[in-house]
Amino acid sequence: GAGVSQTPSNKVTEKGKYVELRCDPISGHTALYWYRQSLGQGPEFLIYFQGTGAADDSGLPNDRFFAVRPEGSVSTLKIQRTERGDSAVYLCASSLTPGAAADTQYFGPGTRLTVL
Amino acid sequence: SQQGEEDPQALSIQEGENATMNCSYKTSINNLQWYRQNSGRGLVHLILIRSNEREKHSGRLRVTLDTSKKSSSLLITASRAADTASYFCATVRTGANNLFFGTGTRLTVIP
Repeated sequence: GAGVSQTPSNKVTEKGKYVELRCDPISGHTALYWYRQSLGQGPEFLIYFQGTGAADDSGLPNDRFFAVRPEGSVSTLKIQRTERGDSAVYLCASSLTPGAAADTQYFGPGTRLTVL
Repeated sequence: SQQGEEDPQALSIQEGENATMNCSYKTSINNLQWYRQNSGRGLVHLILIRSNEREKHSGRLRVTLDTSKKSSSLLITASRAADTASYFCATVRTGANNLFFGTGTRLTVIP
């Protein structure tokens, strides 16, 4: 079956612009996670959805970042007024049941965001 | 913020040799997982070890966990060129659902 997909694979934008990054989780997976990975670092947690609701958004760096999952499947990460420091690979993961404690997370290929 | 550190940061070995990577973390955990990443993109789950387990095997992989020292190790036996990748440990903290990743070890296996 299909894995987690993310679009676009690469996004180049200018400082101050708005961007949307999309994640399609594995069908039937109820939990969805967003992470951000800067060059040479490990991924850092941003937000976790259980169904349609954000169960934990403690990793979002500031209020320019927002994510939705209106129908409990596809999720969109939205970044307003982008800054050069937002440049990173944004990774999405999904798991069958809520909670990384109980289940393996499957990662998508990521979206590489470059803010000029 | 990163949960922990892996060492070494980089490791270069000959094909057929064993590779050992270590991970240290800071908080109480539910489980610890190891992931592989090629070319800085998709992460592949390798193995999960729970806090009440001490050792786990999967094919050529052996993982140990010492919760008293807050450390784990990943051993890859009989390495292959295809094992060249970055390896990350990630913990699930007690009471949390998300993964906290370490800084990674870059493994190069020379054919």
